[in-house]
Amino acid sequence: KQEVTQIPAALSVPEGENLVLNCSFTDSAIYNLQWFRQDPGKGLTSLLLIQSSQREQTSGRLNASLDKSSGRSTLYIAASQPGDSATYLCAVVPGGYNKLIFGAGTRLAVHP
Amino acid sequence: GAGVSQSPRYKVAKRGQDVALRCDPISGHVSLFWYQQALGQGPEFLTYFQNEAQLDKSGLPSDRFFAERPEGSVSTLKIQRTQQEDSAVYLCASSWENYGYTFGSGTRLTVV
Repeated sequence: KQEVTQIPAALSVPEGENLVLNCSFTDSAIYNLQWFRQDPGKGLTSLLLIQSSQREQTSGRLNASLDKSSGRSTLYIAASQPGDSATYLCAVVPGGYNKLIFGAGTRLAVHP
Repeated sequence: GAGVSQSPRYKVAKRGQDVALRCDPISGHVSLFWYQQALGQGPEFLTYFQNEAQLDKSGLPSDRFFAERPEGSVSTLKIQRTQQEDSAVYLCASSWENYGYTFGSGTRLTVV
């Protein structure tokens, strides 16, 4: 059974720091991996999607890497800003299925 | 519409009451998903439709939960005889092929 774990569960940093959020999954047979952002009381906003054949994706200050064989992904946030404060969720689509398996998320607080 | 629309935004139900939650997916999106998100947790898969066919309902927690998508567009998640443990945010998502998922803002259900 595929399980997704995110570390740390919560993170509080001063503005300007570079951050690394970690995601691990137990079964390397995945179709793709997606990072989402969730603001309090809101739905999920897709940040980056990495297909299983890819190693990384970049969007602005965000970079996500995927090491499928070791079951790991990292989300790198450069020069963090208070507006980055949110919960970041990692999710995988297991091979042969069409559904997302989520981690519990990392709650990020960036203070001025 | 431009995004996935869910209604109502909030629902308070008395224990034992039946509720119906609606999801309007992005036009043309073949796949539609329902997820349940408890407080402080990541979303958990409930069920998946491809057009009007319900291809996976393995995540539905009990036979009190029922979902339909009769014409392959709008979907309704129905919960009969609600219990307190049903209190959660119910998220709907749609996708075209496997090129990422777009989530709605969710319906927050509180059972009192």
